[in-house]
Amino acid sequence: GQSLEQPSEVTAVEGAIVQINCTYQTSGFYGLSWYQQHDGGAPTFLSYNGLDGLEETGRFSSFLSRSDSYGYLLLQELQMKDSASYFCAVRAFAKGGKLIFGQGTELSVKP
Amino acid sequence: DTGVSQNPRHKITKRGQNVTFRCDPISEHNRLYWYRQTLGQGPEFLTYFQNEAQLEKSRLLSDRFSAERPKGSFSTLEIQRTEQGDSAMYLCASSLPGQGYEQYFGPGTRLTVT
Repeated sequence: GQSLEQPSEVTAVEGAIVQINCTYQTSGFYGLSWYQQHDGGAPTFLSYNGLDGLEETGRFSSFLSRSDSYGYLLLQELQMKDSASYFCAVRAFAKGGKLIFGQGTELSVKP
Repeated sequence: DTGVSQNPRHKITKRGQNVTFRCDPISEHNRLYWYRQTLGQGPEFLTYFQNEAQLEKSRLLSDRFSAERPKGSFSTLEIQRTEQGDSAMYLCASSLPGQGYEQYFGPGTRLTVT
């Protein structure tokens, strides 16, 4: 089967750092993507890890450990506009196109 | 606007009716994907195209669902004999070849079956 586990909700204050974890169990694994979705909006791409280690993109960083089937998204200097749902998504096959999404983590940023 | 567009944005239909949705991807993207999303869940893969070829279809997709991309540009998703369980947001996304990890999503079509 295919499963991705994320916390359902996370709350943090402005300016803080938050980490959203994702563990996966899939029949194939080629990489892990992260997407952000605001209420009523479309998912937007944030980051991708095809190799183990840390990828940094501005305030957002993403980490992957293939041996642990684990990744995380790190959001620094939180802003109110970061309140959204965050999804990890597994790219199961190199040539395949589909992404397998987790159920999402709803992040609430408080003043 | 050079993003992914979807029409209609909202569709209300009665159970048993057929509906068709359209997706226009980013012009240079040859891959096009359809997903379904229900409240509180992540997008669920339905099918994807590379140019006009439909390369994968989810086992969850019943025979009532069909998708086409006749000229490798826009795509349509048709649902026949709609059921209340089909009520969801239908999302379309596109990507460049070899970059399926970075998909660009449209605003979605919200389907309500009454």
